[in-house]
Amino acid sequence: DAKTTQPTSMDCAEGRAANLPCNHSTISGNEYVYWYRQIHSQGPQYIIHGLKNNETNEMASLIITEDRKSSTLILPHATLRDTAVYYCIVRVGNYGGSQGNLIFGKGTKLSVKP
Amino acid sequence: NAGVTQTPKFQVLKTGQSMTLQCAQDMNHEYMSWYRQDPGMGLRLIHYSVGAGITDQGEVPNGYNVSRSTTEDFPLRLLSAAPSQTSVYFCASSQNLQGEYYGYTFGSGTRLTVV
Repeated sequence: DAKTTQPTSMDCAEGRAANLPCNHSTISGNEYVYWYRQIHSQGPQYIIHGLKNNETNEMASLIITEDRKSSTLILPHATLRDTAVYYCIVRVGNYGGSQGNLIFGKGTKLSVKP
Repeated sequence: NAGVTQTPKFQVLKTGQSMTLQCAQDMNHEYMSWYRQDPGMGLRLIHYSVGAGITDQGEVPNGYNVSRSTTEDFPLRLLSAAPSQTSVYFCASSQNLQGEYYGYTFGSGTRLTVV
């Protein structure tokens, strides 16, 4: 799997947009970008994923650059409950032995402040 | 809709004891996996299964065994617990679809301490 690089930590003011960057310069053509988050000691929660087009769901938006070497997760109106560790992961979309597994890095610790 | 259920939530073991961490899902997911998370670290994959009767090793399989006799259950066995296995263990499941992928569902974790 391609490796990702994320900032260790970020702060965001409550009500403002949180923009979390991720670099994945060695991503392959068949690898998707996935975002998960882990609130305190809970199990990780799936947020969103994409291949090359921008994606939006009820939780967040995912912006992928045209060359696919980086992406940004956007939480449009951050709340205190969005304080968590955010993981950016790349992997192939189809299951196929070990290629189907999610490999987690250390992520970005986002602190939303009042 | 229980999702992924892990039991127990907390466990203290003595060095050398054995135990089984239980994981069950009610979503008919074919793919299941076990991760461990040490303080300040990301999750590391222990074992995974792409369907009943099929298991394989992840990044850190030593000291752990798994089996998958049914689609619903994926237990993780510690044969002889060691202090290095003190960690939080997460089970996850996902549909096994051709093409697009819809995200893992994680359990709430088992906090294991080996003394």
